[in-house]
Amino acid sequence: DTAVSQTPKYLVTQMGNDKSIKCEQNLGHDTMYWYKQDSKKFLKIMFSYNNKELIINETVPNRFSPKSPDKAHLNLHINSLELGDSAVYFCASSPLAGGGHTQYFGPGTRLTVL
Amino acid sequence: AQKVTQAQTEISVVEKEDVTLDCVYETRDTTYYLFWYKQPPSGELVFLIRRNSFDEQNEISGRYSWNFQKSTSSFNFTITASQVVDSAVYFCALSSRANNDMRFGAGTRLTVKP
Repeated sequence: DTAVSQTPKYLVTQMGNDKSIKCEQNLGHDTMYWYKQDSKKFLKIMFSYNNKELIINETVPNRFSPKSPDKAHLNLHINSLELGDSAVYFCASSPLAGGGHTQYFGPGTRLTVL
Repeated sequence: AQKVTQAQTEISVVEKEDVTLDCVYETRDTTYYLFWYKQPPSGELVFLIRRNSFDEQNEISGRYSWNFQKSTSSFNFTITASQVVDSAVYFCALSSRANNDMRFGAGTRLTVKP
């Protein structure tokens, strides 16, 4: 059974389009995250939700909007896609919020904006 | 501010050699946690180890070992008798009780040649 799953795995789209990435975890965790990994492999947190509430909102363009319908799901919607949004996006979850908890990552979604 | 430095961008070894990946961290918090993750060529992020700041015991897991030294703010990772399957990007990460987020180092790309 996949612990943290993301769909789609690959996403190729044109500039200006709107797209969504879905994430689900079946670990029973309370906290979920979105990370962006750029072409140099640098990982940076974007958002974190604890029990459907936003707890981390890093400096990310307003075009990115996370949505958590329940604590097992955290989706990422991106409006008006730009070339610079091309990256790998990782979803992760941890048992609780607060530092120190191990985060378990999904397989990643490679977004390519043409 | 929290920071993780992985000074080695790339390391190349021949199979069966031992290799150490360095990680130096900065934090003002007294309670913090250190992690190592592996990202193989397939792209997923695999959790390897978690250490809290009060436990300086070294850890060994098969061919993997970790050396945590608070005096030098380092949490180094050694692979003994490396194998081709160890080829990956390895990330060191830091979080603290006070913060919800996890800070990653830039990663070290390890290539093990047959």
